[in-house]
Amino acid sequence: SQTIHQWPATLVQPVGSPLSLECTVEGTSNPNLYWYRQAAGRGLQLLFYSVGIGQISSEVPQNLSASRPQDRQFILSSKKLLLSDSGFYLCACTPKGRGGTGELFFGEGSRLTVL
Amino acid sequence: AQSVTQPDIHITVSEGASLELRCNYSYGATPYLFWYVQSPGQGLQLLLKYFSGDTLVQGIKGFEAEFKRSQSSFNLRKPSVHWSDAAEYFCAVGRNAGNNRKLIWGLGTSLAVNP
Repeated sequence: SQTIHQWPATLVQPVGSPLSLECTVEGTSNPNLYWYRQAAGRGLQLLFYSVGIGQISSEVPQNLSASRPQDRQFILSSKKLLLSDSGFYLCACTPKGRGGTGELFFGEGSRLTVL
Repeated sequence: AQSVTQPDIHITVSEGASLELRCNYSYGATPYLFWYVQSPGQGLQLLLKYFSGDTLVQGIKGFEAEFKRSQSSFNLRKPSVHWSDAAEYFCAVGRNAGNNRKLIWGLGTSLAVNP
């Protein structure tokens, strides 16, 4: 079965600093990959999804970007963090062939605090 | 508009008591329905899902849910709650769109369990 690794688990960054959150997937090839942000009381917000290497779709306009340099690697970045970027970031995947089933597999999350 | 409502933001039950978490949805087509659980500081895990067929679905950890089309509901139940069930529970609705980017998430219900 698939396993998703995220790091760092916790990050405290000053406003205006860059960001890089990394996600890697084991146990499946060519998965669909997703970045979600979870803010308190606001549920899950889909930020980016990817169906393959170099293929990124953004769901909401924002200060963040995503890249997929390898099949099972998904990176969330920012050049200059804003206070509003604080939150809990979750990487998720769906194995190909089950992309329409809604069955997402999540990583442990990365908590970002911007001061 | 498509939406998912979890009317209860927070629920407290005693260990051993029964549990029902409510989920109501508004969706224009036959929905795919999901319940996910999130332990504190962790990622989400799929509890159960409904696509078609028997409207009472069984999931992991002793949970079940019933799809009621006439009421647009998909309530989660457990006959006897354990202290380890304390977590955040999310209901989600979607359809087979080739990937999972169209999932609509509820805001979650936080479950506390008293010993």
